[in-house]
Amino acid sequence: QKEVEQDPGPLSVPEGAIVSLNCTYSNSAFQYFMWYRQYSRKGPELLMYTYSSGNKEDGRFTAQVDKSSKYISLFIRDSQPSDSATYLCAMIAGGYQKVTFGTGTKLQVIP
Amino acid sequence: EPEVTQTPSHQVTQMGQEVILRCVPISNHLYFYWYRQILGQKVEFLVSFYNNEISEKSEIFDDQFSVERPDGSNFTLKIRSTKLEDSAMYFCASSLDRGMAEAFFGQGTRLTVV
Repeated sequence: QKEVEQDPGPLSVPEGAIVSLNCTYSNSAFQYFMWYRQYSRKGPELLMYTYSSGNKEDGRFTAQVDKSSKYISLFIRDSQPSDSATYLCAMIAGGYQKVTFGTGTKLQVIP
Repeated sequence: EPEVTQTPSHQVTQMGQEVILRCVPISNHLYFYWYRQILGQKVEFLVSFYNNEISEKSEIFDDQFSVERPDGSNFTLKIRSTKLEDSAMYFCASSLDRGMAEAFFGQGTRLTVV
């Protein structure tokens, strides 16, 4: 089983839709959970990070972590064409610096 | 807004040659990292660096790789004898605090080994 699993998509949604992106993981030592956005041939851009379980909201973005199910989500409200990118989930085990990334989900928001 | 800058944006090298990828981290950051992304694959951790020494490295980061902070601003990744499979995007990142949870990535250097 892969440490982090993420559906590669592509996921196409109409402008204004709510987008749900998800990852599952197997390593129970993961404590920090991040979401990055990556445009083509660019570096990952940190969107949000959460520590342990719970929800975190930032503007149109909401991150959820359910450690009991080893499942994390990113919700994007009122999606815009500019949100079209690849979204990477990423995780860190406590006490370590190595980040383990998912493969990324490619999102296309259609005007 | 401060950013991590990487040079060159694209480097083509012959197999067996040495390459040095350069990064200028955000000025007050203390932790530095290199990641790579082979085309179509996930981003992979290579190494983290703090206080002038490697603090953590992956199994990918073998003897062919080395990192250095030669002065107060640059952070470099050297690949001694490049192989075809070293072709990838190499990303530098930096953070103020320990841990990558709030790290910022550079735009990457595309390394092509021919």
